[in-house]
Amino acid sequence: DAGVTQSPTHLIKTRGQQVTLRCSPKSGHDTVSWYQQALGQGPQFIFQYYEEEERQRGNFPDRFSGHQFPNYSSELNVNALLLGDSALYLCASSSPQEAHTEAFFGQGTRLTVV
Amino acid sequence: AQSVTQLDSQVPVFEEAPVELRCNYSSSVSVYLFWYVQYPNQGLQLLLKYLSGSTLVESINGFEAEFNKSQTSFHLRKPSVHISDTAEYFCAVLRGSQGNLIFGKGTKLSVKP
Repeated sequence: DAGVTQSPTHLIKTRGQQVTLRCSPKSGHDTVSWYQQALGQGPQFIFQYYEEEERQRGNFPDRFSGHQFPNYSSELNVNALLLGDSALYLCASSSPQEAHTEAFFGQGTRLTVV
Repeated sequence: AQSVTQLDSQVPVFEEAPVELRCNYSSSVSVYLFWYVQYPNQGLQLLLKYLSGSTLVESINGFEAEFNKSQTSFHLRKPSVHISDTAEYFCAVLRGSQGNLIFGKGTKLSVKP
């Protein structure tokens, strides 16, 4: 089992650009959640996808959007990048059958906006 | 609203000494509590969790945490730390049935020889 995989591991973007991050959940998990971890902070919940729909959303602007595919993989899109979007973006997979009590995290994508 | 407070941002300790990382939570409902560990340049790994039952939970690498409802705490302890325990530790609460985690700001544990 490959666990949760994220790509790319690192990327550098310029202010105003758009970025897409990808996540494949752990086998058997159908729910994907995205978190933003700024330097020196704990992860902050962005949103969660289940059955290809956004089910919950944290306090993030509409510039942050996502998608879930039939195979449960997910994308996080960020438009009009700001310097403050620089962070480690973490994907977590879980299952409602386990009441989401077994969340597995990927290694993250380190986004740097210059 | 649920929240998590980790009382220490950094904890330096010598190898083989005991350590306690403190975590307090606020919640008006039943809670599920977690400790995650993050090694440099890596994602989060689940260390241990409290769902119900015994208030003392243990991990495979010697850490333990005790759920204290009256003090709304879930402190993490280890009787003897190793250099390899150097990492950042995050306490988290699961937000009801919605399935997203609320994290504290983290505690950096630095184990010195």
